[in-house]
Amino acid sequence: NIMMTQSPSSLAVSAGEKVTMSCKSSQSVLYSSNQKNYLAWYQQKPGQSPKLLIYWASTRESGVPDRFTGSGSGTDFTLTISSVQAEDLAVYYCHQYLSSRTFGGGTKLEIK
Amino acid sequence: EVKLEESGGGLVQPGGSMKLSCAASGFTFSDAWMDWVRQSPEKGLEWVAEIRSKANNHATYYAESVKGRFTISRDDSKSSVYLQMNSLRAEDTGIYYCTGLRLWFAYWGQGTLVTVSA
Repeated sequence: NIMMTQSPSSLAVSAGEKVTMSCKSSQSVLYSSNQKNYLAWYQQKPGQSPKLLIYWASTRESGVPDRFTGSGSGTDFTLTISSVQAEDLAVYYCHQYLSSRTFGGGTKLEIK
Repeated sequence: EVKLEESGGGLVQPGGSMKLSCAASGFTFSDAWMDWVRQSPEKGLEWVAEIRSKANNHATYYAESVKGRFTISRDDSKSSVYLQMNSLRAEDTGIYYCTGLRLWFAYWGQGTLVTVSA
């Protein structure tokens, strides 16, 4: 099984700041046949179900604000929020779908 | 508007059985790959099972932790997916989400709580 490790486990920032969070996979999730990274990012706000933000590592889901950007390839991935808003308070999860399905442990974003 | 509505959760004793249902609307259900994902404070988000579309022969896949105990099924005529859970253990406790679409999980239900306890 591919294991997903997220860091940091939590962080606190002020509104307007830039945030980056990391997701590392134990094996590459880049599929050589199509050169696509089989990685998604989700946002889970308190008391809600997860919501899809990004798939194919960098493709933003329809309706997701452009302040959310996914990047990376192979085993190292990053989710960046360019200017954090109060409404971005949530836990963020990465998810690989190349081999079975596994999630990272999450990064909890708090707003100062 | 896409809707996934789970039902069937509750309290069950260890070793018992429970069947979860998920009613879908707002998208072409028959083309969708549907999954169950659970969440607990101890394990976080954990993928449980997947059933693919008729075009993919309704192939099913399971997490190792539930293989042989859980069965996922679907009824495209009712736009519904099910999870039959047998030989339940305390570690199966959690919120069970119906989710899916394809490889990534675009749609999520609100979840149903399953508690396995004596």
